[in-house]
Parts: sequence; structure tokens; C-alpha cells
Amino acid sequence: GAVVSQHPSRVICKSGTSVKIECRSLDFQATTMFWYRQFPKQSLMLMATSNEGSKATYEQGVEKDKFLINHASLTLSTLTVTSAHPEDSSFYICSAGDLELEKLFFGSGTQLSVL
Amino acid sequence: AQKITQTQPGMFVQEKEAVTLDCTYDTSDQSYGLFWYKQPSSGEMIFLIYQGSYDEQNATEGRYSLNFQKARKSANLVISASQLGDSAMYFCAIKDTGRRALTFGSGTRLQVQP
Repeated sequence: GAVVSQHPSRVICKSGTSVKIECRSLDFQATTMFWYRQFPKQSLMLMATSNEGSKATYEQGVEKDKFLINHASLTLSTLTVTSAHPEDSSFYICSAGDLELEKLFFGSGTQLSVL
Repeated sequence: AQKITQTQPGMFVQEKEAVTLDCTYDTSDQSYGLFWYKQPSSGEMIFLIYQGSYDEQNATEGRYSLNFQKARKSANLVISASQLGDSAMYFCAIKDTGRRALTFGSGTRLQVQP
């Protein structure tokens, strides 16, 4: 089956620094990628939809300037958490879909801890 | 707006027995898809099974089957012959043609006991 690679799997950073998370589709072209955030023992909440070659669409309440998304190619989307704060500590997970979005595949997730 | 409701925060099942995880949904779209994912403690989301709204037969994938009752807007997951490795969080999700991303329920934590 299709594989989505996400890294790093875990990152610890100091407050105020920026962290970049990569999501790659390994064997298919992902015109659309989705970024989710999951707090402990909670569900996945959609943060933004990333479209190749265009601006991302953010969900209500998600700060565009804090969570920068770049989808420069059909196989790579990045999420940059800028000026991270402890409240940004969470599990971030991406998913990628094919052209018809009939199937969505998830990366393995990134656990971000901001000290 | 779409909504997924999973009313069972936690479930216990004995090894080798079957278990049903409940999922009800709400959508105004006529065409939609229903998904079940398994999330072990490692965090990855493992796709289990998919049911399209126009599929007449219930979906099955190995030990997983989906009890789809469209009129009741329910899409319960049935796991047969439970194994210890089935212990995990299980999420029901919906995708319709208008909203391309998945909307997830709150999840059910399944614990399989020996």
C-alpha cells in the first residue's frame, strides 16, 4: 500500500524556537495533504489543508502565522511551528491523498515537546 | 457540518471473542465515505476498513467488518476473534464530497484481556 513518511518522529525544543515537520508521499503523487493535531487522549483535529502549488487552507482558530505550511511539490509538505511555546506541545500527524482522495494515508506522527 | 459520535470511551473484550465499537454520524451530504482507523500507543494511524454511502453490502476486511445501517446513520465496527494486539484506540471518521479531509470521532479505547 501507499506509504507516507513523516519526520521527525519526536522533537524537543526550547520555547521561542521554530520546528519543521516533513511529510512525504513515497509512492504516489499527493496533490493534497492534511495536517492534524492530537492532544493526549483526544481525537485528531484538522489544522489545515495543504494543496500543491497554492496556499494552505486553515481551519478556524488555527493561526496561519504560527503554523506555516508549504506544499512545494507533489510529494512533500512541511509544517513549521514558529516561535513554539509549551502550549504547542502536541502530536502532529499528516495525511496524504491521491487525486481523487478516495484513500487517505497517514504518516507516523511527530511528538512535539516545547520546554 | 459533519459529526461523528463514538459513545464508548473504553471497551474491554476477552481474547478470541468478538467486539462491536459503535459509531454514529451526521452529514447533510448524499455521498460520503466512512472509515475506521486503529491507533496503537506508537501513534500511527492504521487504516482498517472503508464503507461508501452507496455501497449496498457491508464492508469486510479480514477480521474487521462494518455494520452499516444507513437509515440509522450508524457504522459500527465489528472485530471478530479479538487478539491481544488489537488493544488500541479506534477512531471512526467520515469524509464527504464537500469536505475533503476526514472528520474524526472522539475514539474508543479497546483493551483485549487474556
